[in-house]
Amino acid sequence: GENVEQHPSTLSVQEGDSAVIKCTYSDSASNYFPWYKQELGKRPQLIIDIRSNVGEKKDQRIAVTLNKTAKHFSLHITETQPEDSAVYFCAASRGGGNKLTFGTGTQLKVEL
Amino acid sequence: DAMVIQNPRYQVTQFGKPVTLSCSQTLNHNVMYWYQQKSSQAPKLLFHYYDKDFNNEADTPDNFQSRRPNTSFCFLDIRSPGLGDAAMYLCATSIEGNQPQHFGDGTRLSIL
Repeated sequence: GENVEQHPSTLSVQEGDSAVIKCTYSDSASNYFPWYKQELGKRPQLIIDIRSNVGEKKDQRIAVTLNKTAKHFSLHITETQPEDSAVYFCAASRGGGNKLTFGTGTQLKVEL
Repeated sequence: DAMVIQNPRYQVTQFGKPVTLSCSQTLNHNVMYWYQQKSSQAPKLLFHYYDKDFNNEADTPDNFQSRRPNTSFCFLDIRSPGLGDAAMYLCATSIEGNQPQHFGDGTRLSIL
């Protein structure tokens, strides 16, 4: 089955700096890669996703890049703000039943 | 407005006493999922329904059952909760397979 590794497990940045979270996946048939943000005690919220026919996608301060050959994808957050502090999960799916395999999560802390 | 609604938000039950968690959706999505999430961990898929077709994960304990009486509602039944079943239970929906999943706020289950 699919295996998704996520690094780092914790990330601390200064407000205004950029943050990068990286994930690798094992199943070359995976073709859908969402990123979720989960604040403490709240539900996971989809913040951006990318499909395998695209190499990069951007939405304001958030971008995701995908390298199919190397089987890794990354989340980039620019101009970080305190409200970006949360746990971020990457995930991968090969379609069909849309079973998402989640990474282990990254605790992002944006310090003032 | 909440589109995936879980009730109750907090549930306390006794060891071995059956409990039912509910999820409803206003999105008319075909697919509904149940996840278990323990502290500092990623959501773990228990099962999902594609319309009326039930799909159980291989490692989901027999103690966990699910019902989907109609498109809008899905229930998670835990027949004999053990202390290890204390967790956040998240319901999610997607319009079709391999499409974005929308999560509810979750039910936090405590076992006495």
